[in-house]
Amino acid sequence: EDQVTQSPEALRLQEGESSSLNCSYTVSGLRGLFWYRQDPGKGPEFLFTLYSAGEEKEKERLKATLTKKESFLHITAPKPEDSATYLCAVQGSDYKLSFGAGTTVTVRA
Amino acid sequence: EAQVTQNPRYLITVTGKKLTVTCSQNMNHEYMSWYRQDPGLGLRQIYYSMNVEATDKGDVPEGYKVSRKEKRNFPLILESPSPNQTSLYFCASSLYQGKETQYFGPGTRLLVL
Repeated sequence: EDQVTQSPEALRLQEGESSSLNCSYTVSGLRGLFWYRQDPGKGPEFLFTLYSAGEEKEKERLKATLTKKESFLHITAPKPEDSATYLCAVQGSDYKLSFGAGTTVTVRA
Repeated sequence: EAQVTQNPRYLITVTGKKLTVTCSQNMNHEYMSWYRQDPGLGLRQIYYSMNVEATDKGDVPEGYKVSRKEKRNFPLILESPSPNQTSLYFCASSLYQGKETQYFGPGTRLLVL
């Protein structure tokens, strides 16, 4: 069974204080690893897909990286608007998406 | 505007009273699915549909039913709700299964007393 573990559960940052979120996974036949952002009271919003170890993708202050066992979401010089819950999901050979419980990031001005 | 809509957004009901949560998408997507989100457990898939008249169980299908008679609609039915079905429910769609960009609805918060 595919498993996804995200850490830490919660992260409090000062504006401008860079940090990283971790997503560890076990999956049978990785087809893709996904990062989503979820704001309170809203559905998840797609951020990135990574397909193979060594791949990196960037969007504004966010950068996602992938190894064979984990993925990191780096937040560089965060702003208060980056406050959200970040979800990681893996898609295995059966095309099913398995989600982690998420990391809630709070950025203080 | 491309979107997934769900209704109702909030629902309080009592044990055993049948209810339906509607989901509709306007993007002509083939793939649709339902998830429930519980604290500490993440999103778990309930049912999914590859296309019209094609549905299958996800990880937690017990106590739920779905139907896909039209491409745009994918209602979630709770025939006899129980308190352990109190949760936040999301409908999602994508062009086809495996397509990375899944669009999620705004969520339906359900409380079963």
